[in-house]
Amino acid sequence: NAGVTQTPKFRILKIGQSMTLQCTQDMNHNYMYWYRQDPGMGLKLIYYSVGAGITDKGEVPNGYNVSRSTTEDFPLRLELAAPSQTSVYFCASTRNMGQGLKGYTFGSGTRLTVV
Amino acid sequence: GENVEQHPSTLSVQEGDSAVIKCTYSDSASNYFPWYKQELGKGPQLIIDIRSNVGEKKDQRIAVTLNKTAKHFSLHITETQPEDSAVYFCAAGYNTDKLIFGTGTRLQVFP
Repeated sequence: NAGVTQTPKFRILKIGQSMTLQCTQDMNHNYMYWYRQDPGMGLKLIYYSVGAGITDKGEVPNGYNVSRSTTEDFPLRLELAAPSQTSVYFCASTRNMGQGLKGYTFGSGTRLTVV
Repeated sequence: GENVEQHPSTLSVQEGDSAVIKCTYSDSASNYFPWYKQELGKGPQLIIDIRSNVGEKKDQRIAVTLNKTAKHFSLHITETQPEDSAVYFCAAGYNTDKLIFGTGTRLQVFP
């Protein structure tokens, strides 16, 4: 049971490049989330998904896209990278069966620098 | 939407002292309040949580209290140890989809 696995751990992108941050979980969690954490700041929700085929915007979705074709995977796509997207990205998941929110399990993060 | 404020942003205590971190939330419908600990270079880890039908919950040296009327909740760490040094986040959410996080408190415990 690996929990939430994020790849890569580090990445440097040039302005205008694109990339996909991978996130996979093996806990059969139905809810998955992407947060970004800027230096010295809290966690801002980018996108989330309540199940395969369903995604929704969070607080800061501009410049990102997601898809959820399987229960396990929730990739985050950056198109036309900008310096403002320099951040640490965390993927998280939880099981929510309609009986209330439960604590999230977070991945170890992807540190992205756009130069 | 929900907004969560967290104070203080930094907190320094002597080993063995207590530490208290406070959060306020704006949406009276929120009913789930977890606390996370983030160590350097790692993802946040859930350390304790409380639901709105409970006023206090304790787990060894860690306790959380909730005041629904005032819409605030607090994390209490007693007998602090150097390994408690980390960034702590509070969060608030409702039954449905997502948690909104506070801005974090950097706790330093000096030996």
